[in-house]
Amino acid sequence: KAGVTQTPRYLIKTRGQQVTLSCSPISGHRSVSWYQQTPGQGLQFLFEYFSETQRNKGNFPGRFSGRQFSNSRSEMNVSTLELGDSALYLCASSSRLAGATGELFFGEGSRLTVL
Amino acid sequence: AQKITQTQPGMFVQEKEAVTLDCTYDTSDPSYGLFWYKQPSSGEMIFLIYQGSYDQQNATEGRYSLNFQKARKSANLVISASQLGDSAMYFCAMRDGGATNKLIFGTGTLLAVQP
Repeated sequence: KAGVTQTPRYLIKTRGQQVTLSCSPISGHRSVSWYQQTPGQGLQFLFEYFSETQRNKGNFPGRFSGRQFSNSRSEMNVSTLELGDSALYLCASSSRLAGATGELFFGEGSRLTVL
Repeated sequence: AQKITQTQPGMFVQEKEAVTLDCTYDTSDPSYGLFWYKQPSSGEMIFLIYQGSYDQQNATEGRYSLNFQKARKSANLVISASQLGDSAMYFCAMRDGGATNKLIFGTGTLLAVQP
C-alpha cells in the first residue's frame, strides 16, 4: 500500500512568487491535514480537509490556502511568498476525521526555500 | 488551551541500552489521543505509537512503549535496545477528542545513539 506522497520534494522560489504543493493521501483516506515546520516555530497546523471540505484552519494569514479534490488529493497554495515561508510543509492523511485510533500518517514533506 | 511539553532538547544513549523521552501534556478535554513520531534528517514524520486517553493499558509497538500516566499528564516514550538507526528527532503530539485530526506538537527531542 503506497504511503502519503508529496510533490515536489524540494523547490526554490523568490519573494513575491506563489507556490502550489500537492499531497496524495493513502488510498482510501479521506482526511488530509497540512503542517508547516520551521526551526523557529516548530510544527504548526495549517488546515485540514475531509471529503473536500475544510474542517479546521490554523492561525495563518490568508496567503495560505488549500483545497481537496474528489479523489482526496489535496493542494495547498501560498501566494506572495515571504522569506519566512521557507519551511518544510508536511501532509498527513487518515481514513476518518477523528476517533480512538492512531491512524494518522505523514508524507516526506515538501521543502520550500524562498530567496 | 492544549499544550505539549518536551523538556529534553537532546539526549545521548549507548547502543543496545534503553532510553526514555519525556512528554507532558495539558488539556481539559477528557477524550484525547497522544502520538509519538520519529523524524530522521530526511524530514519524513514516521508514526511510532499511539495512546488513547481511555485506553486501559500502555501502548506498545515492538521496541517502543508508551508510559502513560494520566494523573500526571505524562506520556513518555521508552525505546528499548537502542539502535544506531534510532538517531533522529522525536516528537510528541496530541489530538483532542473533537471531530478533527489536528495535532499539537511538542518541540521535539533530538536523540543520538552512540556505538
